[in-house]
Amino acid sequence: DTVLTQSPALAVSPGERVTISCRASESVSTGMHWYQQKPGQQPKLLIYGASNLESGVPARFSGSGSGTDFTLTIDPVEADDTATYFCQQSWNDPTFGGGTKLELK
Amino acid sequence: EVQILETGGGLVKPGGSLRLSCATSGFNFNDYFMNWVRQAPGKGLEWVAQIRNKNYNYATYYAESLEGRVTISRDDSKSSVYLQVSSLRAEDTAIYYCTREALKQLYGVMDAWGQGASVTVSS
Repeated sequence: DTVLTQSPALAVSPGERVTISCRASESVSTGMHWYQQKPGQQPKLLIYGASNLESGVPARFSGSGSGTDFTLTIDPVEADDTATYFCQQSWNDPTFGGGTKLELK
Repeated sequence: EVQILETGGGLVKPGGSLRLSCATSGFNFNDYFMNWVRQAPGKGLEWVAQIRNKNYNYATYYAESLEGRVTISRDDSKSSVYLQVSSLRAEDTAIYYCTREALKQLYGVMDAWGQGASVTVSS
């Protein structure tokens, strides 16, 4: 299985820029997607194909990367962005990162 | 509006079995692959199974960790997908999400998720 590694938690102030990283154990080309999950809710797709913004998602969210290193950027961060963010690859059988919990100061 | 609704969760004794159902509406079900993804309490997401559509002969794929204990199926006439899980263990306790998979930029992407069905395995 392709293992995806994310930092467990981040804390930022509203209005700042935050980058959330995801590293794959092997190349997944651009087959990386990002989801936002708020407490008690199902995950929501934000970014697909490493850098494509899902319809209806604010342009504050962006994604980049290819191969093994990927980044989700939120700029500027808003209070409503408090959530856990998961990366997921679909180059092989789907696997997810452990999630990065974003807290606002 | 895309709607995905899972049912069939509950409390099950170890060794028991369970069948989860996922009813969908608001899109042409026949065109899509469907998946089940689970999330243990306080943990991350784990892909469980995929079923492809008629164009791909309803091919099924399973996570290695669960293969042999799970069966995914679909009924296109009811726009529904199902997950049968047997020989349940405590570690199967999780919320089970049904997801739609769309082809975007040549990748299968889980672009719509249900609210999830809670399964608790305990004596």
